Amino acid sequence: GAVVSQHPSWVICKSGTSVKIECRSLDFQATTMFWYRQFPKQSLMLMATSNEGSKATYEQGVEKDKFLINHASLTLSTLTVTSAHPEDSSFYICSAKTNVDYTFGSGTRLTVV
Amino acid sequence: QQQVKQSPQSLIVQKGGIPIINCAYENTAFDYFPWYQQFPGKGPALLIAIRPDVSEKKEGRFTISFNKSAKQFSLHIMDSQPGDSATYFCAASRGGSGGGADGLTFGKGTHLIIQP
Repeated sequence: GAVVSQHPSWVICKSGTSVKIECRSLDFQATTMFWYRQFPKQSLMLMATSNEGSKATYEQGVEKDKFLINHASLTLSTLTVTSAHPEDSSFYICSAKTNVDYTFGSGTRLTVV
Repeated sequence: QQQVKQSPQSLIVQKGGIPIINCAYENTAFDYFPWYQQFPGKGPALLIAIRPDVSEKKEGRFTISFNKSAKQFSLHIMDSQPGDSATYFCAASRGGSGGGADGLTFGKGTHLIIQP
């Protein structure tokens, strides 16, 4: 089946630095990639939708200048958390839409100290 | 505004029992209703999904019941096992088949414990 590889699985960074998370579709072309954020013991919340070759669409309340999304190819989408702060600590998960359903990456645990 | 309401928040069932998790949605444009299982520190994994043209779908021990008029759907887990202990999320989206779909709207999750 369709596989989305997400890296890194966890990252610790200092406050004020930037962190990049990558998601690759391994055996299919992901025209659209969705990025979610999940705080501890909470649900997944859609942050943004990225389409290959165009600007991402952000959900209400998500700062587009803070969460930079790049979807330059059909197999790679990246999320960069810029000037990270402790409140950005969360579990970030990408998901690609196939012809059948949505395939999720394994998630990235970001801790900002 | 929460568009997908999930209940219960937590559930404890004895091994072999049938846990039932319920979800209700508001957006009538939703046409794809999946259920996901998530273990701590992992991404969600698709269990089963249904589209509004059918009222029930079974895959192995998992069954979805769908009531379009009531805008409700539920997950039943038959012959539950301790290994089924996890957090379960219902979700919904518009345009879930083929390309051009929206992202998923998730319920708040149900923490399920199956006691041996």
